[in-house]
Amino acid sequence: NAGVTQTPKFQVLKTGQSMTLQCAQDMNHEYMSWYRQDPGMGLRLIHYSVGAGITDQGEVPNGYNVSRSTTEDFPLRLLSAAPSQTSVYFCASSYSSGIGSPLHFGNGTRLTVT
Amino acid sequence: KNEVEQSPQNLTAQEGEFITINCSYSVGISALHWLQQHPGGGIVSLFMLSSGKKKHGRLIATINIQEKHSSLHITASHPRDSAVYICAVRFMETSGSRLTFGEGTQLTVNP
Repeated sequence: NAGVTQTPKFQVLKTGQSMTLQCAQDMNHEYMSWYRQDPGMGLRLIHYSVGAGITDQGEVPNGYNVSRSTTEDFPLRLLSAAPSQTSVYFCASSYSSGIGSPLHFGNGTRLTVT
Repeated sequence: KNEVEQSPQNLTAQEGEFITINCSYSVGISALHWLQQHPGGGIVSLFMLSSGKKKHGRLIATINIQEKHSSLHITASHPRDSAVYICAVRFMETSGSRLTFGEGTQLTVNP
């Protein structure tokens, strides 16, 4: 059971480049989410999904797109990378969006935009 | 503004010491999570609670709803407990499953 798998672990982009951060879970979880972690700040929600075909914006959605075509996958797209998007990104999933569901995190992607 | 504050920001202890990390929040919540972030960066869920107290091994989490406060205790601390501990809450007035995270407490346990 792999849990939540994020790829890549590290990525360096130049300003204006695009890329997709991959996230997959094999636990049949309905809820998936993307966070960014910056020094001196708590994790902040970028986008989330409560099931296949359903996505919604979080606290800091600008510059990012998501889609949820399957229950397993929830990719995060940066269409035109900016230095402000330099951060560590975490994908997380849970069985449901309800109160009683603990979060399972991926190992993170460290992104640097130059 | 819905806020989550953790204290202390940094904590250094000697092996065997009893450790307490605190989390305070501004308004009513429906759930509170305690997470552990390893030195390598991975994040693990430790506890999820909405009332009372939970215990797992040497870790104990308590929450006082009236005082809007939670504590994470580590008994008989060990160097392998060195990590960042993060508190996250779901505020009652927040839609969906949004969590608000504290900045974390960096714990270092020396042998």
